[in-house]
Amino acid sequence: DTAVSQTPKYLVTQMGNDKSIKCEQNLGHDTMYWYKQDSKKFLKIMFSYNNKELIINETVPNRFSPKSPDKAHLNLHINSLELGDSAVYFCASSQGEGTGELFFGEGSRLTVL
Amino acid sequence: GNSVTQMEGPVTLSEEAFLTINCTYTATGYPSLFWYVQYPGEGLQLLLKATKADDKGSNKGFEATYRKETTSFHLEKGSVQVSDSAVYFCALNLLQGAQKLVFGQGTRLTINP
Repeated sequence: DTAVSQTPKYLVTQMGNDKSIKCEQNLGHDTMYWYKQDSKKFLKIMFSYNNKELIINETVPNRFSPKSPDKAHLNLHINSLELGDSAVYFCASSQGEGTGELFFGEGSRLTVL
Repeated sequence: GNSVTQMEGPVTLSEEAFLTINCTYTATGYPSLFWYVQYPGEGLQLLLKATKADDKGSNKGFEATYRKETTSFHLEKGSVQVSDSAVYFCALNLLQGAQKLVFGQGTRLTINP
């Protein structure tokens, strides 16, 4: 069983469209994250939810809206897609405090044309 | 602010060579330090970690020592294998609860047979 799973793995769409990426974890973790990896492999945190509550929001345009229906799911919805949104988006989860160990999904590659 | 700087890649070595990937950090507090590895087409996974000064993290033949005096956490392996080819990320974590990892820019390692 995949611990952190994301769908879709690949997404190609036109500028201006709205798209969603879904994430589910079966590890029983309390905290979930979205990270963005750009074309140079640089990774930056976007959001973090703990037990369905938003706890980190890193100056991300409000076109990006995370939604956590329960602590096992964290979805990312993006409105009015722009070329610069093209990246690989990674979902991750963690449990407890101070461990620093995040479990990552395989990533969702978004290409905006 | 908090940041992590890794040696520029890509790094190409022959099998059985000695590996060092440099990592230095800047932090306002007292961070925990991590190395994550991303194999082709996969998400990141924790390789090793150290939570306090002079701690040595080790896994799969890789080692890194937390050096507070030089603010460094260099990754080493005595004899690399082709299967070690991947992108390696150094990271720090300052927050309790929400694991807000700050990543370096990643170093791509290629091992030739």
